[in-house]
Amino acid sequence: ETGVTQSPTHLIKTRGQQVTLRCSSQSGHNTVSWYQQALGQGPQFIFQYYREEENGRGNFPPRFSGLQFPNYSSELNVNALELDDSALYLCASSQGQGDEQYFGPGTRLTVT
Amino acid sequence: QKEVEQNSGPLSVPEGAIASLNCTYSDRGSQSFFWYRQYSGKSPELIMFIYSNGDKEDGRFTAQLNKASQYVSLLIRDSQPSDSATYLCAPDSGGSNYKLTFGKGTLLTVNP
Repeated sequence: ETGVTQSPTHLIKTRGQQVTLRCSSQSGHNTVSWYQQALGQGPQFIFQYYREEENGRGNFPPRFSGLQFPNYSSELNVNALELDDSALYLCASSQGQGDEQYFGPGTRLTVT
Repeated sequence: QKEVEQNSGPLSVPEGAIASLNCTYSDRGSQSFFWYRQYSGKSPELIMFIYSNGDKEDGRFTAQLNKASQYVSLLIRDSQPSDSATYLCAPDSGGSNYKLTFGKGTLLTVNP
């Protein structure tokens, strides 16, 4: 157990809907990174938040957005869901920007 | 496009043998290198990280890094059936956000 928690565990949405995924970072960690993992692939970097500011973004469209709160927990929002958004969404927290990242259990999103 | 290539699996070894997992990366700016283990249906678990050229040992695991060759490897000694999982190599991006770029992973099966 890493101390990183995510909710919900599973989610089923319809194409075109919006979804919010939540992550609580490990105690003492101020950096949260979000990743998308499609079946059979490695995780792909979506974006990172450091002390409530976005600190780098991967190759994802603007309908993927996020937020980090003063307690360093974070949200990932996805608008206008597409079938290809079906994946395991992982958040990882770290003590600082260059430190080891520890993953939460993930949220499995299915878009129908 | 920064790439991470891992030896194609699946890799099958008998119990007690040494499993060798290899990874090459294209981003010369990478400073830190992480190995994650992912059991089927679970999130990635950090098992090793290495920053400097050479070897780093932790129990049955040894990580080896050669930045000049852009190569990192993971050796698992005395392999156990519980080591059966997908192993993900992840160099960071250096720079300001240290995002992780993952390979597709190598599936390791340890046969009793």
